[in-house]
Amino acid sequence: GAVVSQHPSWVICKSGTSVKIECRSLDFQATTMFWYRQFPKQSLMLMATSNEGSKATYEQGVEKDKFLINHASLTLSTLTVTSAHPEDSSFYICSASPLDRKETQYFGPGTRLLVL
Amino acid sequence: RKEVEQDPGPFNVPEGATVAFNCTYSNSASQSFFWYRQDCRKEPKLLMSVYSSGNEDGRFTAQLNRASQYISLLIRDSKLSDSATYLCVVNEVSGYSTLTFGKGTMLLVSP
Repeated sequence: GAVVSQHPSWVICKSGTSVKIECRSLDFQATTMFWYRQFPKQSLMLMATSNEGSKATYEQGVEKDKFLINHASLTLSTLTVTSAHPEDSSFYICSASPLDRKETQYFGPGTRLLVL
Repeated sequence: RKEVEQDPGPFNVPEGATVAFNCTYSNSASQSFFWYRQDCRKEPKLLMSVYSSGNEDGRFTAQLNRASQYISLLIRDSKLSDSATYLCVVNEVSGYSTLTFGKGTMLLVSP
């Protein structure tokens, strides 16, 4: 149980395009989903926290207009990287906390984004 | 700024060796503590939680010292499959999940 999926697993795009990444909790409902970014040899950095039906809370330094988050249901959150640039190339990982185990996060397999 | 500090390594050890990793955290109000394992190009996976009394799971032993804000992980009888990056992770808030990750310590186990 407690499986989180992400789609796509990797994406290559041209500079200036927008990329949408989906995060789904497959066998549980998640009140809260988290989006992280990890650059090579760096730790996971929390970008934003999203709660179903409400606006996401962004960490300091993360542009909310560039990284659009939609948490439309208890099993789906999406992250859209708008007008992507090469410096946005990174490993994006989502996680989800079950309704009955809010202190736990289950991680998705990550999405590797390369912007040319 | 809340931080979790780890020695990045790499730690190069032969199979069968015992290896220990340490971690310090800056927020004295931190509530819960974990070790995660991350393989290359993969997501982190929970290895074990860390309790004040210390806890053991097979070859892995974790210790927490709240007074010193220090966490450790001991791996006995290292296997080749233990090669990975080990992330020290701290949860800041009780009843909710707000994880702060260390940069990780890389372990390489050789035959």
